[in-house]
Amino acid sequence: AQKITQTQPGMFVQEKEAVTLDCTYDTSDQSYGLFWYKQPSSGEMIFLIYQGSYDEQNATEGRYSLNFQKARKSANLVISASQLGDSAMYFCAMRVQGAQKLVFGQGTRLTINP
Amino acid sequence: DSGVTQTPKHLITATGQRVTLRCSPRSGDLSVYWYQQSLDQGLQFLIQYYNGEERAKGNILERFSAQQFPDLHSELNLSSLELGDSALYFCASSLGLAGGPWAGELFFGEGSRLTVL
Repeated sequence: AQKITQTQPGMFVQEKEAVTLDCTYDTSDQSYGLFWYKQPSSGEMIFLIYQGSYDEQNATEGRYSLNFQKARKSANLVISASQLGDSAMYFCAMRVQGAQKLVFGQGTRLTINP
Repeated sequence: DSGVTQTPKHLITATGQRVTLRCSPRSGDLSVYWYQQSLDQGLQFLIQYYNGEERAKGNILERFSAQQFPDLHSELNLSSLELGDSALYFCASSLGLAGGPWAGELFFGEGSRLTVL
Protein backbone atom coordinates (compact mmCIF):
# COMPACT_ATOMS: atom_id res chain seq x y z
CA ALA A 1 0.00 0.00 0.00
CA GLN A 2 1.10 3.52 -0.64
CA LYS A 3 1.25 6.21 1.97
CA ILE A 4 1.98 9.93 1.91
CA THR A 5 2.98 11.79 5.04
CA GLN A 6 2.94 15.55 5.43
CA THR A 7 4.18 16.37 8.90
CA GLN A 8 3.52 20.10 8.90
CA PRO A 9 -0.15 20.83 9.62
CA GLY A 10 0.46 24.55 9.27
CA MET A 11 3.22 26.93 8.25
CA PHE A 12 3.54 30.70 8.50
CA VAL A 13 5.96 32.51 6.22
CA GLN A 14 6.74 36.14 5.48
CA GLU A 15 5.95 37.38 2.01
CA LYS A 16 8.85 37.08 -0.46
CA GLU A 17 10.57 34.38 1.56
CA ALA A 18 11.11 30.88 0.20
CA VAL A 19 9.18 28.06 1.81
CA THR A 20 9.63 24.31 1.83
CA LEU A 21 6.68 22.01 2.39
CA ASP A 22 7.65 18.52 3.46
CA CYS A 23 6.39 15.30 1.96
CA THR A 24 7.58 11.76 2.56
CA TYR A 25 6.15 8.72 0.89
CA ASP A 26 6.15 5.00 1.30
CA THR A 27 5.82 2.48 -1.50
CA SER A 28 7.47 -0.75 -2.54
CA ASP A 29 6.92 0.06 -6.21
CA GLN A 30 9.89 1.22 -8.25
CA SER A 31 7.86 3.20 -10.74
CA TYR A 32 5.70 5.95 -9.37
CA GLY A 33 4.84 9.59 -9.75
CA LEU A 34 4.62 12.33 -7.17
CA PHE A 35 2.28 15.30 -7.43
CA TRP A 36 1.61 18.51 -5.58
CA TYR A 37 -1.77 20.21 -5.54
CA LYS A 38 -2.85 23.55 -4.12
CA GLN A 39 -6.27 24.07 -2.59
CA PRO A 40 -7.15 27.74 -1.97
CA SER A 41 -9.97 28.71 0.34
CA SER A 42 -12.38 28.59 -2.59
CA GLY A 43 -11.95 24.82 -2.54
CA GLU A 44 -10.75 23.83 -5.98
CA MET A 45 -7.72 21.57 -6.39
CA ILE A 46 -5.01 23.05 -8.60
CA PHE A 47 -2.20 20.90 -10.00
CA LEU A 48 1.22 22.43 -9.40
CA ILE A 49 4.04 20.05 -10.27
CA TYR A 50 4.92 16.43 -11.04
CA GLN A 51 8.02 14.28 -10.46
CA GLY A 52 8.52 10.79 -11.84
CA SER A 53 10.50 8.25 -9.88
CA TYR A 54 12.96 7.79 -12.76
CA ASP A 55 13.39 11.47 -13.45
CA GLU A 56 16.97 12.44 -12.80
CA GLN A 57 16.33 16.14 -12.62
CA ASN A 58 14.19 17.82 -10.00
CA ALA A 59 10.98 19.15 -11.50
CA THR A 60 10.45 22.90 -11.73
CA GLU A 61 7.43 24.95 -12.74
CA GLY A 62 7.90 28.66 -12.40
CA ARG A 63 8.26 29.49 -8.70
CA TYR A 64 7.62 25.86 -7.76
CA SER A 65 10.30 23.22 -7.58
CA LEU A 66 10.28 19.73 -6.21
CA ASN A 67 13.22 18.60 -4.09
CA PHE A 68 13.19 14.89 -4.87
CA GLN A 69 15.39 12.68 -2.68
CA LYS A 70 14.62 9.15 -3.73
CA ALA A 71 16.76 7.35 -1.16
CA ARG A 72 15.05 9.26 1.62
CA LYS A 73 11.65 8.89 -0.05
CA SER A 74 10.97 12.57 0.18
CA ALA A 75 9.44 14.96 -2.34
CA ASN A 76 9.42 18.41 -0.78
CA LEU A 77 7.80 21.35 -2.54
CA VAL A 78 9.80 24.55 -2.61
CA ILE A 79 8.04 27.82 -3.35
CA SER A 80 10.42 30.66 -4.07
CA ALA A 81 9.59 34.30 -3.41
CA SER A 82 6.27 33.55 -1.73
CA GLN A 83 3.26 35.74 -2.47
CA LEU A 84 0.09 36.44 -0.51
CA GLY A 85 -1.83 34.42 -3.08
CA ASP A 86 0.18 31.34 -2.12
CA SER A 87 -1.80 31.07 1.10
CA ALA A 88 -3.68 27.79 0.74
CA MET A 89 -3.69 24.11 1.62
CA TYR A 90 -1.04 22.10 -0.17
CA PHE A 91 -1.36 18.39 -0.81
CA CYS A 92 1.31 15.91 -1.80
CA ALA A 93 0.05 12.88 -3.71
CA MET A 94 1.41 9.72 -5.30
CA ARG A 95 0.41 7.34 -8.04
CA VAL A 96 2.18 4.03 -8.60
CA GLN A 97 2.66 2.13 -11.84
CA GLY A 98 -0.51 0.41 -12.92
CA ALA A 99 -2.75 2.29 -10.55
CA GLN A 100 -4.86 5.22 -11.54
CA LYS A 101 -5.88 6.80 -8.31
CA LEU A 102 -3.82 9.40 -6.50
CA VAL A 103 -3.14 8.81 -2.83
CA PHE A 104 -3.03 12.09 -0.93
CA GLY A 105 -1.32 13.23 2.23
CA GLN A 106 -3.18 15.14 4.94
CA GLY A 107 -2.05 18.48 3.63
CA THR A 108 -0.19 21.52 4.95
CA ARG A 109 -1.92 24.85 5.46
CA LEU A 110 0.43 27.61 4.31
CA THR A 111 -0.18 31.18 5.41
CA ILE A 112 1.83 34.00 3.85
CA ASN A 113 2.08 37.08 6.04
CA PRO A 114 2.57 40.54 4.53
CA ASP B 1 -11.18 26.54 -14.92
CA SER B 2 -10.23 22.85 -14.98
CA GLY B 3 -12.97 21.89 -17.43
CA VAL B 4 -14.55 19.48 -14.93
CA THR B 5 -18.07 20.48 -13.96
CA GLN B 6 -19.75 19.38 -10.76
CA THR B 7 -23.31 20.00 -9.68
CA PRO B 8 -24.69 20.97 -7.28
CA LYS B 9 -22.03 23.14 -5.65
CA HIS B 10 -23.81 23.10 -2.32
CA LEU B 11 -26.38 20.72 -0.93
CA ILE B 12 -28.06 20.64 2.45
CA THR B 13 -30.16 17.66 3.39
CA ALA B 14 -31.33 15.63 6.35
CA THR B 15 -30.17 12.34 7.78
CA GLY B 16 -31.67 9.34 6.07
CA GLN B 17 -32.07 11.10 2.76
CA ARG B 18 -30.54 10.28 -0.61
CA VAL B 19 -28.67 12.64 -2.92
CA THR B 20 -27.05 12.45 -6.34
CA LEU B 21 -23.93 14.36 -7.26
CA ARG B 22 -23.16 14.87 -10.90
CA CYS B 23 -19.87 15.27 -12.72
CA SER B 24 -19.02 16.12 -16.30
CA PRO B 25 -15.36 15.39 -17.08
CA ARG B 26 -13.11 17.43 -19.31
CA SER B 27 -13.73 16.98 -22.98
CA GLY B 28 -11.87 13.90 -24.13
CA ASP B 29 -11.16 12.50 -20.68
CA LEU B 30 -12.29 8.93 -20.24
CA SER B 31 -11.48 8.40 -16.57
CA VAL B 32 -13.53 9.83 -13.75
CA TYR B 33 -12.57 9.66 -10.10
CA TRP B 34 -14.56 10.49 -7.00
CA TYR B 35 -12.91 11.72 -3.81
CA GLN B 36 -14.35 12.66 -0.44
CA GLN B 37 -12.70 15.41 1.58
CA SER B 38 -13.66 15.69 5.20
CA LEU B 39 -11.87 17.55 7.98
CA ASP B 40 -10.75 14.46 9.83
CA GLN B 41 -10.10 12.09 6.92
CA GLY B 42 -8.43 14.30 4.35
CA LEU B 43 -8.87 13.39 0.69
CA GLN B 44 -10.13 9.84 0.41
CA PHE B 45 -10.40 8.04 -2.91
CA LEU B 46 -13.84 6.55 -3.40
CA ILE B 47 -14.07 5.07 -6.87
CA GLN B 48 -12.84 5.34 -10.45
CA TYR B 49 -14.55 4.72 -13.76
CA TYR B 50 -12.96 4.40 -17.15
CA ASN B 51 -15.09 4.64 -20.24
CA GLY B 52 -18.16 3.43 -18.41
CA GLU B 53 -16.57 0.63 -16.43
CA GLU B 54 -15.57 0.57 -12.80
CA ARG B 55 -11.77 0.33 -12.59
CA ALA B 56 -10.81 0.91 -9.00
CA LYS B 57 -12.57 1.06 -5.69
CA GLY B 58 -11.38 2.77 -2.55
CA ASN B 59 -13.01 3.51 0.76
CA ILE B 60 -16.51 3.75 -0.61
CA LEU B 61 -19.33 2.84 1.74
CA GLU B 62 -21.98 0.36 0.67
CA ARG B 63 -24.53 3.16 1.01
CA PHE B 64 -22.73 4.97 -1.79
CA SER B 65 -22.76 4.00 -5.43
CA ALA B 66 -21.59 5.52 -8.66
CA GLN B 67 -21.80 5.05 -12.37
CA GLN B 68 -20.43 6.51 -15.57
CA PHE B 69 -22.79 6.94 -18.46
CA PRO B 70 -22.16 6.52 -22.21
CA ASP B 71 -21.67 10.27 -22.57
CA LEU B 72 -18.94 9.89 -19.89
CA HIS B 73 -20.61 11.97 -17.23
CA SER B 74 -20.71 10.34 -13.84
CA GLU B 75 -23.03 10.36 -10.88
CA LEU B 76 -22.31 9.56 -7.25
CA ASN B 77 -25.34 8.42 -5.29
CA LEU B 78 -25.29 8.75 -1.52
CA SER B 79 -28.13 7.14 0.40
CA SER B 80 -29.25 6.75 4.01
CA LEU B 81 -27.20 9.81 4.75
CA GLU B 82 -25.56 10.25 8.13
CA LEU B 83 -24.10 13.30 9.80
CA GLY B 84 -20.61 11.96 9.11
CA ASP B 85 -21.23 12.02 5.38
CA SER B 86 -20.98 15.80 5.44
CA ALA B 87 -17.97 16.57 3.29
CA LEU B 88 -16.69 18.07 0.10
CA TYR B 89 -17.04 15.58 -2.73
CA PHE B 90 -14.67 16.02 -5.64
CA CYS B 91 -14.84 14.63 -9.09
CA ALA B 92 -11.68 14.50 -11.12
CA SER B 93 -10.93 13.37 -14.63
CA SER B 94 -7.93 12.30 -16.63
CA LEU B 95 -7.30 11.15 -20.14
CA GLY B 96 -7.13 7.44 -19.55
CA LEU B 97 -5.25 4.42 -18.42
CA ALA B 98 -1.75 5.23 -19.60
CA GLY B 99 0.60 2.54 -18.37
CA GLY B 100 3.10 4.74 -16.62
CA PRO B 101 2.65 6.66 -13.41
CA TRP B 102 2.62 9.81 -15.46
CA ALA B 103 -0.84 9.29 -16.76
CA GLY B 104 -1.30 13.01 -16.58
CA GLU B 105 -2.49 14.96 -13.65
CA LEU B 106 -6.01 14.65 -12.40
CA PHE B 107 -8.14 17.66 -13.18
CA PHE B 108 -10.50 18.40 -10.33
CA GLY B 109 -13.89 20.00 -10.33
CA GLU B 110 -14.78 22.63 -7.76
CA GLY B 111 -16.47 20.05 -5.58
CA SER B 112 -19.94 19.52 -4.19
CA ARG B 113 -20.25 20.51 -0.56
CA LEU B 114 -22.72 18.25 1.18
CA THR B 115 -24.11 19.15 4.58
CA VAL B 116 -26.22 16.58 6.38
CA LEU B 117 -28.29 17.96 9.25
